[in-house]
Amino acid sequence: AQSVSQHNHHVILSEAASLELGCNYSYGGTVNLFWYVQYPGQHLQLLLKYFSGDPLVKGIKGFEAEFIKSKFSFNLRKPSVQWSDTAEYFCAPDWGGGYNKLIFGAGTRLAVHP
Amino acid sequence: ETGVTQTPRHLVMGMTNKKSLKCEQHLGHNAMYWYKQSAKKPLELMFVYSLEERVENNSVPSRFSPECPNSSHLFLHLHTLQPEDSALYLCASSQDPPEGKNIQYFGAGTRLSVL
Repeated sequence: AQSVSQHNHHVILSEAASLELGCNYSYGGTVNLFWYVQYPGQHLQLLLKYFSGDPLVKGIKGFEAEFIKSKFSFNLRKPSVQWSDTAEYFCAPDWGGGYNKLIFGAGTRLAVHP
Repeated sequence: ETGVTQTPRHLVMGMTNKKSLKCEQHLGHNAMYWYKQSAKKPLELMFVYSLEERVENNSVPSRFSPECPNSSHLFLHLHTLQPEDSALYLCASSQDPPEGKNIQYFGAGTRLSVL
């Protein structure tokens, strides 16, 4: 069965620290990749996505992710986090099939301290 | 505001009650989704409707019954629920060409507590 794994469940950083959140997914053919974010008390929203082309994709608020096909990974990065980045982050591959079928990872709770 | 509105935002019900969750999207999308978000568990896809036809039912118990009367509205009818069904229920919508590749927009969710 197709699956996704997020390695870090809780991450605590100080402001200006660098961030990398791991995401690995199982093989299943062509895959579209998404990172979603859920800020405290808010709805899930798209952070960034990869469909094809340049494996380094940029999203909102300075986030980026790199698709490494050989490693089945799509890690999320930000060079310098801010307190406002405190949120839960979800990796979500989509193996398609005619409609969006996202499989969400367990999520990573990020707490950024001033 | 995402263009996907869920009501009610909070719901408390007994195990013998019947209630419904409502989702409405104002984005002109053709696909709608129900997800369950439980504490300490990944977000679980429950149902998918594409062009008002159910295309996915992820082994969801029959006490959950979805309904999609048109492309803008999605309901989740609840009856004889169990306490373990307490969770945040999220609705999403997307505009799907055959190859997918589209973004899902989520509502704020309905926080359900089953007593």
